[in-house]
Amino acid sequence: EPEVTQTPSHQVTQMGQEVILRCVPISNHLYFYWYRQILGQKVEFLVSFYNNEISEKSEIFDDQFSVERPDGSNFTLKIRSTKLEDSAMYFCASSNRQGRAGELFFGEGSRLTVL
Amino acid sequence: QKEVEQDPGPLSVPEGAIVSLNCTYSNSAFQYFMWYRQYSRKGPELLMYTYSSGNKEDGRFTAQVDKSSKYISLFIRDSQPSDSATYLCAMTTFSGNTPLVFGKGTRLSVIA
Repeated sequence: EPEVTQTPSHQVTQMGQEVILRCVPISNHLYFYWYRQILGQKVEFLVSFYNNEISEKSEIFDDQFSVERPDGSNFTLKIRSTKLEDSAMYFCASSNRQGRAGELFFGEGSRLTVL
Repeated sequence: QKEVEQDPGPLSVPEGAIVSLNCTYSNSAFQYFMWYRQYSRKGPELLMYTYSSGNKEDGRFTAQVDKSSKYISLFIRDSQPSDSATYLCAMTTFSGNTPLVFGKGTRLSVIA
């Protein structure tokens, strides 16, 4: 069964460092998303991406964040200068245009710990 | 008022019990309602999907949506220890690329 894969599963970094989280969405999917979940909090939307551009972003997704689809398979989230409050689980998700609204397929997440 | 409210629990029930999980919401534009299941340190997995008001049944799971009350429910019959997980309600306004809005999740433990 096709799945969304994310790397790394866990990354520890120092405050102020740049971090890149990587995702390989399901191959025939066209919509890509990043969500995050701070420990004990709800899953929060960060950004959606379609047709090689951001289609929507939340207030959380400020200038420190960027997304890119560098090739036909990868979808990355970059945090330029990490802060302590960026510590969270980051989930990549993808969906199919022909799929049902809200039917997202999530990866297992990348845990980011900022020290 | 928060957009989606969900009691975080934890909820502990004996094996075989009927479980009722609920969410309320404030945005009347929500039309698509979902329940995701999340095992510890894993990504959310779509469990149930409902459009607009009504009921949907899938095996031991029943999802109900009451748009007039802005209230959705998930019922689990004959609960099993393998049902132990966090259950997240989620909703969105219309088809396309609109983001999901999640509840905080209810942590369920089914005790054998």
